[in-house]
Parts: sequence; structure tokens; C-alpha cells
Amino acid sequence: ETGVTQTPRHLVMGMTNKKSLKCEQHLGHNAMYWYKQSAKKPLELMFVYNFKEQTENNSVPSRFSPECPNSSHLFLHLHTLQPEDSALYLCASSQGTSGRAHTGELFFGEGSRLTVL
Amino acid sequence: AQTVTQSQPEMSVQEAETVTLSCTYDTSESNYYLFWYKQPPSRQMILVIRQEAYKQQNATENRFSVNFQKAAKSFSLKISDSQLGDTAMYFCASHSGNTGKLIFGQGTTLQVKP
Repeated sequence: ETGVTQTPRHLVMGMTNKKSLKCEQHLGHNAMYWYKQSAKKPLELMFVYNFKEQTENNSVPSRFSPECPNSSHLFLHLHTLQPEDSALYLCASSQGTSGRAHTGELFFGEGSRLTVL
Repeated sequence: AQTVTQSQPEMSVQEAETVTLSCTYDTSESNYYLFWYKQPPSRQMILVIRQEAYKQQNATENRFSVNFQKAAKSFSLKISDSQLGDTAMYFCASHSGNTGKLIFGQGTTLQVKP
């Protein structure tokens, strides 16, 4: 069982649909992240949660709505997306986000490949 | 603000040879870490090597080593004895010890040829 699991692996949706991406980590970490990976662009940090509290929203459009019910689960709710939102969405976790316990290393899931038609 | 730049979109190397991937970064902080991550095709991203900015000694992990030039803000990755399994996209990343943000470069796609 991988440390960070993302579902679904692939998702195709229309611009009027509502869907959700799910991420679960089995590493006992307390911080979780959403990144967006587009072709030929750096990974873009979207959201950070630490102990279920959102600590970072990197100016993400409101059509992306994160939810973190506990330290092991992270969701990304999608609605009225645009074709330019098509990308690989990566979830990651870490032991904290700063301080001595945090080595800076993130553990990633395999990603959810999103296509918006 | 932190920035990370990888100027080589694609590289190739023959199996068993050595290749160096370039990375430059910019940060105003004194407390930070630098990383190289590897993303194989259709597989998850994993950590290759990590360097603490306060350490002068270059990090090494088996066939992977870095050349950390702090004054020049350069952080290159050297892969020795390249193997077919090294084929992947490689991302350089800078982590702020103060904000906890991990900022990635654009990535370098490495192809190891038999």
C-alpha cells in the first residue's frame, strides 16, 4: 500500500460538472498539500493544510474548493472548471510544515489526471 | 520570493555514463533546504537527494550527488553510471524553513539510452 493514495487516477469532466478528487495518506503526517502540474510549467502549489487547518491558499480560483476533514484525508472539489484547468493534480503530505520535525520532504501520490472538455 | 529555475527542458545520456542537471534558485532566507525529486513516467514523485543550506558539504546518495554553490545559488545534480531506470522528469525544489513552502522548478526530462 503506497503512503499517499489519490483517486480517481483519471477524470474527464464537462465545464458544468461537479466532481471531487480524493487523497489519503497512511504515513501519520499532519500536513497535506495540493499541487497542480501542467505541461512545461513548474509545479504550482495550490493549498496547504496543517492539522486540518488551511495555512496556504495560493490565489486559487474559487472553482477549486479544498476540504480537509482530518489529517489523513484531503479533498479537492471541482465545479464549473475551464479547459485550462486540465492538468495533473498532485497530493502530498509531510510531517508538519516547519520547525524541527519538518525535514522539508514531501511524499507524493501518483496524481489525478484531469481533463476538462 | 523564492524562485527555482531549471534551464534544461530535456536531456539524454547513454547508459553507464554521467550526466549533470542544472538548477539555480533565489531566496532571501538563510534557513532553507534544497531538493531534487524524480518523477518516473506515470509514477509518483519521489525524493532523490536533499541538501541543507547551512551545510557546506555536498550531499551524496549512492550514484546521485549534488554540487551546491551557495554564493552562486546553484544546485546541480550529478547522476553517475546512469541506468535505464533513471529515465524520468527531475525537479529541483527549494524549501523555506520559515514559511514551509516548497517551490519547484520547471523540470528536466532525462532520457537514458541503452
